[in-house]
Amino acid sequence: DSGVTQTPKHLITATGQRVTLRCSPRSGDLSVYWYQQSLDQGLQFLIQYYNGEERAKGNILERFSAQQFPDLHSELNLSSLELGDSALYFCASSAGLPGPYEQYFGPGTRLTVT
Amino acid sequence: KNQVEQSPQSLIILEGKNCTLQCNYTVSPFSNLRWYKQDTGRGPVSLTIMTFSENTKSNGRYTATLDADTKQSSLHITASQLSDSASYICVVVSSNTGKLIFGQGTTLQVKP
Repeated sequence: DSGVTQTPKHLITATGQRVTLRCSPRSGDLSVYWYQQSLDQGLQFLIQYYNGEERAKGNILERFSAQQFPDLHSELNLSSLELGDSALYFCASSAGLPGPYEQYFGPGTRLTVT
Repeated sequence: KNQVEQSPQSLIILEGKNCTLQCNYTVSPFSNLRWYKQDTGRGPVSLTIMTFSENTKSNGRYTATLDADTKQSSLHITASQLSDSASYICVVVSSNTGKLIFGQGTTLQVKP
């Protein structure tokens, strides 16, 4: 158990809908990262927050947005969903910015868009 | 374009044998290079983290090496076990942007 929690574990929804994925980092970690992993593909870095502020942005679509709240939990919002958005979404946390800090991954949320 | 390339794409070895996975990158400058192990359907687990000044780092039967001059890293697994069957991912963190750039991974299968 990494100490990072993600909810829900599974999500099935229809095209055009909007969903929110939630992540609670390890106690004391200030950085939260979001990743997307499509079937048979590598992990894609989406976005990183540090202590409530956006710090780095990867291949995140405009239909996707994220935020980190004062209690440090984070939410990833996915809107106007398409079939291609079906994937595993991972959240990770670390103590600080992406220096040589250990990153701990959550169990993931499996999103299926039908 | 910053890239991280891993080879081989997949590998099958017998239990007890050693193997080496390769990672070549073009990310520059970089802050650190990481190796992760990912079991199917689960989140990655960190194996090693090396800064640009480190040449080698071990974690049990896993040993990572880094040559910042040639921009190559390797992950050596000693005395493989069935539980080593997983995807191994090389990640390079850009110093300029803070972005984590992932390789496509090497899928390792250890057979009895």
